[in-house]
Amino acid sequence: DAGVTQSPTHLIKTRGQHVTLRCSPISGHKSVSWYQQVLGQGPQFIFQYYEKEERGRGNFPDRFSARQFPNYSSELNVNALLLGDSALYLCASSKEKGWGETQYFGPGTRLLVL
Amino acid sequence: QQQVKQSPQSLIVQKGGISIINCAYENTAFDYFPWYQQFPGKGPALLIAIRPDVSEKKEGRFTISFNKSAKQFSLHIMDSQPGDSATYFCAASREAGGYQKVTFGIGTKLQVIP
Repeated sequence: DAGVTQSPTHLIKTRGQHVTLRCSPISGHKSVSWYQQVLGQGPQFIFQYYEKEERGRGNFPDRFSARQFPNYSSELNVNALLLGDSALYLCASSKEKGWGETQYFGPGTRLLVL
Repeated sequence: QQQVKQSPQSLIVQKGGISIINCAYENTAFDYFPWYQQFPGKGPALLIAIRPDVSEKKEGRFTISFNKSAKQFSLHIMDSQPGDSATYFCAASREAGGYQKVTFGIGTKLQVIP
């Protein structure tokens, strides 16, 4: 079975631009979460989506948005990019949304903002 | 606000030795404590997890010790091998408005030398 897939693997943007990152969860998984991992830090929670609805949001500005499609894949959008948005963006999927669910991470998209 | 404090940030252990990574948390609402292993260029992978009603959990060479009263937990890697060289993240999870909010530690870069 394929694991969580993310695209693109690497991306270079300039300040002020917009970026869209994509994630396909493991087959049968209904929940997708997005994390930002800055170099040398642990992943920080951005969003969780379940059954196409936003279920949770971390402490990120409104420039960050996401959505989940009927096939449970997801997009993370970041507007008006800042240098500080440079990071590894991780997508994780789980079967359900609740407590104790194992989250399976994709390889991430490395975003560099110049 | 660092809700999960992890130490040390780097660790060098000889092959066959015991690697010990410690974590402490503040929020008593956390009720699920996973450990993740991350290799360069990959997303984090779940290693082992524990619930607070258990004081110890062992899976192969990996053991979690949990001290609920001290709000501390640790990962022990017995008979450490060069293939264990990776970054390890502790995490704490809680139910938050119907979704699982996961907070990661800063990470420990483990190097196992032959």
